[in-house]
This record gives sequence, structure tokens and C-alpha cells, in this order.
Amino acid sequence: DADVTQTPRNRITKTGKRIMLECSQTKGHDRMYWYRQDPGLGLRLIYYSFDVKDINKGEISDGYSVSRQAQAKFSLSLESAIPNQTALYFCATSDYWSAGSTDTQYFGPGTRLTVL
Amino acid sequence: RKEVEQDPGPFNVPEGATVAFNCTYSNSASQSFFWYRQDCRKEPKLLMSVYSSGNEDGRFTAQLNRASQYISLLIRDSKLSDSATYLCVVIPSYSGAGSYQLTFGKGTKLSVIP
Repeated sequence: DADVTQTPRNRITKTGKRIMLECSQTKGHDRMYWYRQDPGLGLRLIYYSFDVKDINKGEISDGYSVSRQAQAKFSLSLESAIPNQTALYFCATSDYWSAGSTDTQYFGPGTRLTVL
Repeated sequence: RKEVEQDPGPFNVPEGATVAFNCTYSNSASQSFFWYRQDCRKEPKLLMSVYSSGNEDGRFTAQLNRASQYISLLIRDSKLSDSATYLCVVIPSYSGAGSYQLTFGKGTKLSVIP
């Protein structure tokens, strides 16, 4: 079984709808992330969480919210979807990071979201 | 200057060729560097970390040049299966929760041609 899973894998929705993307991990990592990927723009960080009680905004958090329900679960919500939120969304986890250490990101398979 | 820059390519090379990519970064205090590989419509996966002394893994060699602020990835004896997009990742000095600044480059696309 995959270590990082995302549901749904594909979603088509309409402008104004509320959408939730879910991410689960079995790696036992404390740190979880949500990214979006757009052609020509690369991966951009939306939100990240270093533990269950920690939530932080990333580069492009406007229009999104997150919930860290447990160490293993991190969900991303679009309260009122708009077409420019059409993108490929990735969840990722990482192990502990500190200066001089590494912070390898392990990605889920992605959710392809289309907002009409 | 953008934080992390990569030549988007595409690099079209024949099988067996040697190809090299560079990735420049703007934050001189950056501490950790990585190369990820992403196949079309798939998730990125770690290819290798980049150490100050350089490191090699089979046909792949990664190097760091702190003076000029770039990392490089060299692929020798290219295989068809090497066709993918290669992303560089840079992490600056740790500055505490709430200011995480891991940055991905936009990627360099490689196509290995039979």
C-alpha cells in the first residue's frame, strides 16, 4: 500500500462549490504539506503543518483552508472554488528537519482538480 | 533574481549521451539541496540529495557550488527511462516554524530519444 494517499484522485466541480481534498499517511511523519502544481509555475506551497497543533500558511494560502485531524491526516478545503484553482494538488510528508539535516518530501499521487 | 531557477528545457538527447542540468539559487544561506524526478502526471520523487562534497549514485552525479550558488545534476549514459522532469529543491537555514521556505525549481524536462 502507498505510504501517502490522496482522495479523490480526480474531481470536476463548479465555481462556488466547497471542495475537500484529503490526505492520509502511514509513514509516521509529523510534518505534512499541501502543494499545487500548475504548468510553467512549478510546485507552490499552500499550507504546512509541523504537528497536529501547528498550521502555517505557505506561499499561496488565499482561498484555501486546512485541517490537521490527526498525525496521519491533513485535509485541504476550497471554501468556494474558482476556475483559477484548477490545478494538480499534492500532499506531502517529511521527517524531522533541522539545520544541517535533511527534509525529504514524500508525495502522494496527486489530485487533479478542475473548476468549471 | 528568482529564488530558484532552472532551465525549463526541453533537453532532447540520444540514448547513451551525457547531459547536465544546473539550478541556481539566490539565498546564500541555503543549507540543503535535492534533486527530484517527476514523471508526467505523477508525483515528484527524491532522486538524490546534494552534498557539499558532491555525490554519485550510479549514472547520476550531483554537485554543489556554493561560491556561484548553483547545484548541478549530471546523467551519464542516458536511458529512455530517464525521460522525466527534474526538479531542484533548496532549503534555507532553519528559521523556526512559521517561516518554512523550502523552494522547488520549476523543473527541467529531459527527453531521451532512441
